[in-house]
Amino acid sequence: AAGVIQSPRHLIKEKRETATLKCYPIPRHDTVYWYQQGPGQDPQFLISFYEKMQSDKGSIPDRFSAQQFSDYHSELNMSSLELGDSALYFCASSLEGRGQETQYFGPGTRLLVL
Amino acid sequence: KNEVEQSPQNLTAQEGEFITINCSYSVGISALHWLQQHPGGGIVSLFMLSSGKKKHGRLIATINIQEKHSSLHITASHPRDSAVYICAVRFIIQGAQKLVFGQGTRLTINP
Repeated sequence: AAGVIQSPRHLIKEKRETATLKCYPIPRHDTVYWYQQGPGQDPQFLISFYEKMQSDKGSIPDRFSAQQFSDYHSELNMSSLELGDSALYFCASSLEGRGQETQYFGPGTRLLVL
Repeated sequence: KNEVEQSPQNLTAQEGEFITINCSYSVGISALHWLQQHPGGGIVSLFMLSSGKKKHGRLIATINIQEKHSSLHITASHPRDSAVYICAVRFIIQGAQKLVFGQGTRLTINP
């Protein structure tokens, strides 16, 4: 069965650069979640989208923005990168519209800011 | 006090042992997730619970809504079960849904 796809899997950037992470949910899933997991830390919820609209906002910095497109894929845009942004960024998807709340996680994008 | 607390934080056992990982939370929730994270970082969703008990293979998850407590059990544990197990609770605050993660339990199963 198709799973959540994230790209790229690894990304290296320098301070003050920008990065765009992409997430392709499981087909027919309508909700996408973004999480950030720093080294040795718990995952932190960043933001979620349901049917292309922002449904909830967590601890997402103002330097970051995200959106969900008409094909339900989502992009997390990160600007003015800081060293502390180095983390594993997970995307998860679910089918909220059908009340199926189980979130399926992608493999993550490992971002390293130098 | 953290909204989600797991115990133990680290657990080492021998192959074949029965494993229990506990999760307690302090707020009313709409659902609780048990997740598994392997050393490479990938997260796998094991269970989503809102009441009762679920079983999948050697894994069993239970939740007691009144006591705000959930347990994840692994029967006949195997070295491939070695991973970090994370409890995450989903609750609604001021009309918005939040998902809060526990600190994880690092499980090591020795052959």
